[in-house]
Amino acid sequence: GENVEQHPSTLSVQEGDSAVIKCTYSDSASNYFPWYKQELGKGPQLIIDIRSNVGEKKDQRIAVTLNKTAKHFSLHITETQPEDSAVYFCAHSGYSTLTFGKGTMLLVSP
Amino acid sequence: EAQVTQNPRYLITVTGKKLTVTCSQNMNHEYMSWYRQDPGLGLRQIYYSMNVEVTDKGDVPEGYKVSRKEKRNFPLILESPSPNQTSLYFCASSSTGAGYNEQFFGPGTRLTVL
Repeated sequence: GENVEQHPSTLSVQEGDSAVIKCTYSDSASNYFPWYKQELGKGPQLIIDIRSNVGEKKDQRIAVTLNKTAKHFSLHITETQPEDSAVYFCAHSGYSTLTFGKGTMLLVSP
Repeated sequence: EAQVTQNPRYLITVTGKKLTVTCSQNMNHEYMSWYRQDPGLGLRQIYYSMNVEVTDKGDVPEGYKVSRKEKRNFPLILESPSPNQTSLYFCASSSTGAGYNEQFFGPGTRLTVL
């Protein structure tokens, strides 16, 4: 599948701070942009997703923004908590396959 | 409980010894997929299946085979494993194509090929 660049690869924040993870993609046919969270020793789990006809979506402390013109999308976590510590993956898809970024390890210190 | 199960969870084997990693889902999902996860490379798709008897290659299919004879099962077969297939493997399923729905991941299978 088409590549997706994800930055940063690691992110350390203090509890209560905000965290932002950014992804860029090249396939203009992509229309689905999910974010997955992977805790240690577990499989990835969907935390939020956005479709190409929407510019922003929010779910409590988590929000995702999408700029289709610039081909980038971002995950925003506000009021971070230690349990937010995990690896986060962005992904994008046309229909049949999902292409993942390389992941961001988020560490939230108490 | 709705889930994706994989077996075994851990496997150490030797080069050339055929092995199968099983994957089963109980959600009546049409779409199933296999990924491998390597440090610094994220998740890469190996094979996927849109429905029974329909399979297709992902980004890294070399050295792997799959079959989809039943809707609930999607085994991953390594006919002649090599050390470069040492990795963490995840099976996933979704109700329809990956581009429209949440994918549910299994717990992972950690494979070491000596």
